[in-house]
Amino acid sequence: QKEVEQNSGPLSVPEGAIASLNCTYSDRGSQSFFWYRQYSGKSPELIMSIYSNGDKEDGRFTAQLNKASQYVSLLIRDSQPSDSATYLCAVNGRGRRALTFGSGTRLQVQP
Amino acid sequence: DGGITQSPKYLFRKEGQNVTLSCEQNLNHDAMYWYRQDPGQGLRLIYYSQIVNDFQKGDIAEGYSVSREKKESFPLTVTSAQKNPTAFYLCASSMGTGGASYEQYFGPGTRLTVT
Repeated sequence: QKEVEQNSGPLSVPEGAIASLNCTYSDRGSQSFFWYRQYSGKSPELIMSIYSNGDKEDGRFTAQLNKASQYVSLLIRDSQPSDSATYLCAVNGRGRRALTFGSGTRLQVQP
Repeated sequence: DGGITQSPKYLFRKEGQNVTLSCEQNLNHDAMYWYRQDPGQGLRLIYYSQIVNDFQKGDIAEGYSVSREKKESFPLTVTSAQKNPTAFYLCASSMGTGGASYEQYFGPGTRLTVT
């Protein structure tokens, strides 16, 4: 079982729709959760962080964390073509002072 | 402007040669990291350092070496022992480790091609 799992996609949504990206993790002791956006050929950019159960909203982005079920999700409202990118989920693992990244979900927003 | 710089952006080397990738940050971050990304894949941790003169191996350290002589700098050497060195190399830094201190910020990356 991978430490951090994401569906590779592509996830295709029409412009204006809500995109829902999911991530599961294996280490119950994880406490810090992050979403990064990576455009093709570029480096990852931090877009959301979440540390406690529930929802955290920032503009069109909402991160959701459920530690009991060991999943974290990212919702993108009013999706735009410029949101088309790969979204990486990252989690800190107990026993190592570094993040573990999932392999990413590719999102395509159709105009 | 605060940030992380990596140089060069593109690097070409012949097989059997060692090569050093530069990473510098002026964010006053304590922790620095090196990742490797292969096409269509996620990031794999090579080495990380939480403090000057100390570093730890990540998941794929074989064939790589690092040093952390200054807080701002964390160079990565790809040695000839690395079997498949062609990849996109990303350097990152964070304030430290724990909670929000884990928030990592990335440099622009170095694309290494070995033939």
